[in-house]
Amino acid sequence: SQLAEENSWALSVHEGESVTVNCSYKTSITALQWYRQKSGKGPAQLILIRSNEREKRNGRLRATLDTSSQSSSLSITATRCEDTAVYFCATDANAGAKLTFGGGTRLTVRP
Amino acid sequence: EAGVTQSPRYAVLQEGQAVSFWCDPISGHDTLYWYQQPRDQGPQLLVYFRDEAVIDNSQLPSDRFSAVRPKGTNSTLKIQSAKQGDTATYLCASSLRYEQYFGPGTRLTVL
Repeated sequence: SQLAEENSWALSVHEGESVTVNCSYKTSITALQWYRQKSGKGPAQLILIRSNEREKRNGRLRATLDTSSQSSSLSITATRCEDTAVYFCATDANAGAKLTFGGGTRLTVRP
Repeated sequence: EAGVTQSPRYAVLQEGQAVSFWCDPISGHDTLYWYQQPRDQGPQLLVYFRDEAVIDNSQLPSDRFSAVRPKGTNSTLKIQSAKQGDTATYLCASSLRYEQYFGPGTRLTVL
């Protein structure tokens, strides 16, 4: 089984709505990273949240981390069509040296 | 700054053929990663280097896959005798600290 996995395979929202992607993991971590991958591109990092942090923000993005339940969430407010992508959580057990990616959540933002 | 570049972008092979993928990381990045991403799945680490040294190749199918980074800059991933199960996108990433920067990938189809 995967060490990190998102809890939904696909989500769909209308532009302007908020959406949350959830992730659960099964290993001790030093940090958890959220990545976004648009069609035909490589993943791009959105947020890195360290194990001693509970929340991190980056513009319209907000990530939370609960190490006791081994879960994380990524919330996007005021979604835009260009947020359409696959969102991955990736666990980091060695200070960024080696990431384990989940299977991804496919988000579609409709006009 | 220039991003991670990969070539070729696409490759189509018959089973049993060999193929090489080339990666040029971001200048100054000491760590380079190769991932395999099957369709609709997250990236799965194959091997990573720090400078010219292999740090972890435990997930690299050693009988058919090989990877080198001879001068600690560019890297080549080679599949000696491709199988249909190798059909996937091969991603290269580089990093200096916690964030990995991904190239666009090479989409491989083995017929």
